Amino acid sequence: QKEVEQNSGPLSVPEGAIASLNCTYSDRGSQSFFWYRQYSGKSPELIMFIYSNGDKEDGRFTAQLNKASQYVSLLIRDSQPSDSATYLCAATSDNQFYFGTGTSLTVIP
Amino acid sequence: GAGVSQSPRYKVAKRGQDVALRCDPISGHVSLFWYQQALGQGPEFLTYFQNEAQLDKSGLPSDRFFAERPEGSVSTLKIQRTQQEDSAVYLCASSFEGGTRHEQYFGPGTRLTVT
Repeated sequence: QKEVEQNSGPLSVPEGAIASLNCTYSDRGSQSFFWYRQYSGKSPELIMFIYSNGDKEDGRFTAQLNKASQYVSLLIRDSQPSDSATYLCAATSDNQFYFGTGTSLTVIP
Repeated sequence: GAGVSQSPRYKVAKRGQDVALRCDPISGHVSLFWYQQALGQGPEFLTYFQNEAQLDKSGLPSDRFFAERPEGSVSTLKIQRTQQEDSAVYLCASSFEGGTRHEQYFGPGTRLTVT
């Protein structure tokens, strides 16, 4: 059973702090990893993708991948109340795209 | 269009009715995916098309579910003899390239309620 696991939270951080979201995956053959943000009642919105070990930065967001540990993380710097949402981690394997159940993040003003 | 569109946005069906959900992917996108998302859960993969070819349908929960993309653009997900457990949001996503390695862009979803 191929799985992506996330802590469901909720995770609360004060405005301006760094939010750290984590994800593990079970299939060592997974090649690509994605972070999506989903506001309540809306569809998932792509934030970042990462293919290679290491860090990838885009504005306030940094994705980190460690294939040896089968671990993906997302750091959000200078968190804003508008970042409050559910963050979904996804991994690809064969012809399928596996999502975790998501981590709920609340940024407190 | 600028993004993935889905219709209808909301559908209420009586148990036993058939429903058809439509997805218009981003123009030129090769790959198209269908997902089912229950409340409080992540999207669950249903099926994947590359152009008109359905390359994976292993996520379809039963033989009541059927998907097609006959001309390699618009796709329809059909659910026959709907059951209450089919109530969920059905999401469609498309990707510019073939395969599942690449980022997918989601439509707004169709919320199906079976009464």
